[in-house]
Amino acid sequence: QSVLTQPPSASGTPGQRVTISCSGSSSNIGSNTVNWYQQLPGAAPKFLIYSNDQRPSGVPDRFSGSKSGTSASLAISGLQSEDEADYYCAAWDDSLNGPVFGGGTKLTVL
Amino acid sequence: EVQLVESGGGLVQPGRSLRLSCAASGFIFDDYAMHWVRQVPGKGLEWVSGISWNSGSIGYVDSVKGRFTISRDNAKNSLYLQMNSLRAEDTALYYCAKDQRITMTEHMDVWGKGTTVTVSS
Repeated sequence: QSVLTQPPSASGTPGQRVTISCSGSSSNIGSNTVNWYQQLPGAAPKFLIYSNDQRPSGVPDRFSGSKSGTSASLAISGLQSEDEADYYCAAWDDSLNGPVFGGGTKLTVL
Repeated sequence: EVQLVESGGGLVQPGRSLRLSCAASGFIFDDYAMHWVRQVPGKGLEWVSGISWNSGSIGYVDSVKGRFTISRDNAKNSLYLQMNSLRAEDTALYYCAKDQRITMTEHMDVWGKGTTVTVSS
């Protein structure tokens, strides 16, 4: 069971906007920033969003992140077929003294 | 090009040992913390261990404490994971990941392709 909670699946049609939630606690999301990773089928994870809402260079601005209290969200606008992947949230956990991940959300583009 | 290449995985019997290596290139290795993250096929990501730029700060997930040891050789641009007393539940794809910062954080901005560890008799 993962420390951070994500819905196991999400879906949308091309062009739509979808959001993926990530719920934690005061020892992780509540007191630290949140990152998001994208894992395409058969590939290694890719750094997608850091410090709640920052995009590394090369990440399209269709991807955005936000945080409020002990929860965070990843939003993908203008959904494309190549966005079909697993998405993971992550945050530092002060109690465990290490990074923790969500269980992952499988995004399907219908 | 920034690159991480893992090696050392394989099939090992329960209770035996294995040493993973990660060769880094394309960046100043000793400017960044490094991590090992594992993934059971079809399952999620789990942070295993991390090490700061100068090995002054090291961390492990509880399930591997006392069995795994992380280390780095900055002169060789290499990260290691010594895994002892291996268990079936350690079976996974092990990724090497670069931190965005000098100390351990959750900001893993570069990942290798991984090396597979299978613990089975």
